[in-house]
This record gives sequence, structure tokens and C-alpha cells, in this order.
Amino acid sequence: KQEVTQIPAALSVPEGENLVLNCSFTDSAIYNLQWFRQDPGKGLTSLLLIQSSQREQTSGRLNASLDKSSGRSTLYIAASQPGDSATYLCAVSLTSGSRLTFGEGTQLTVNP
Amino acid sequence: DTAVSQTPKYLVTQMGNDKSIKCEQNLGHDTMYWYKQDSKKFLKIMFSYNNKELIINETVPNRFSPKSPDKAHLNLHINSLELGDSAVYFCASSRAGGPYEQYFGPGTRLTVT
Repeated sequence: KQEVTQIPAALSVPEGENLVLNCSFTDSAIYNLQWFRQDPGKGLTSLLLIQSSQREQTSGRLNASLDKSSGRSTLYIAASQPGDSATYLCAVSLTSGSRLTFGEGTQLTVNP
Repeated sequence: DTAVSQTPKYLVTQMGNDKSIKCEQNLGHDTMYWYKQDSKKFLKIMFSYNNKELIINETVPNRFSPKSPDKAHLNLHINSLELGDSAVYFCASSRAGGPYEQYFGPGTRLTVT
């Protein structure tokens, strides 16, 4: 059974810092991995999707890496801003069109 | 130009009632999902449909019945609501046949009193 763990559970940083969020999964036979952002009381916004054959994906100040063999992914946020404050969720799927298995999220607070 | 929409956004009801949540996507996707986010914010799959056919049915009480009238819609009907059903329910959709992103709706916050 696939399990996804995110560390840390919460993180508070001053504005401008670069930071790394971690995600690990127990079954390395994943199809893809997706990072989401969830603002309080809102839905999920997809940030990045990494296919199993890829090592990383970048979008603006965000960079996500994937090491399938070790069951790990990291989300790097450069030059953090208060608007980045949200819960970040990592999720993996095992096949095309299959369920996403989510981690419990990292609650990020960026202080002005 | 909403991609995945859900109605209602909030639903407050009493134990024992029957209620429905509707989901629609205008992305042309073939696959739709229902997820439940509990009070601890943990998201878990409930159901998945591909082209109106049920493909995932997790261990969910049979009081929950999804219905897909067409591939753009996936509704969730809940019978005999219980206190433990209180949660946020998210609908999502994706293309089929490849490593495609899942797109989520805004969620429906269900409160059972």
C-alpha cells in the first residue's frame, strides 16, 4: 500500500528565504508525482507534475525534483514571498488515470 | 471559464437526511474523481469514473453513491447522513491514457449536525 509522508508538517520562514519541502513515498513504482497548493478554505491548485521518467520540473520560482529509486521528491521555492503562504501537498499515482495518494501536507508561513 | 465546478459550496444538514453534491468539468476530460478531506486535512480518494464507468471504488459506505450521467458530470449522493460524514468533498478531473494532471474543484464543505 502506497504511503506518502511530508516533512516538515509546518514551516515558518522570513520573506526572501529559499526553502525546501520534502515528500517521500513507500512504493517507488509511481507513474507520476504532483505538487499542489491549498489555501485555507479553498480547493487545490496544481503547481507541478513530474512524470516517472523525469528528474525535475520548473515553473517560475518553483522547482520540483524526483528521485524515484529512493522514493523522494523535493519542492524548492526560491525567494519566498508572503503570498506563498499555504499548505503544500504532494501526491503520487501508480497508473494513468488512477487515484492520487496524498501526503498530509506542509503548512508554510512566509513572514513579511 | 471555470474548469471544475461543484455545487453547493456549503451544505449544512441534519443526521439521517439524504443530500447530493454536483460536479461538472468543462475541460473535456474523460476521468473524474471524488476525494474526501477530513478534519485533519487528509485527502483520500473515494471514487473514480472513466467515460461514465466506475473504475475506482474505495472502501466507502454504500450510503455513498456516485452517478455519472455523462463524462462531464459526476455527482455524489449520500443517504442517511451521519456525523462522521462531515468533511470537505473535492471533485477532480483529468485526461486519460497518460501522466496527466488532476484538476480540482473548489470543494463542498458538508456539515452534519
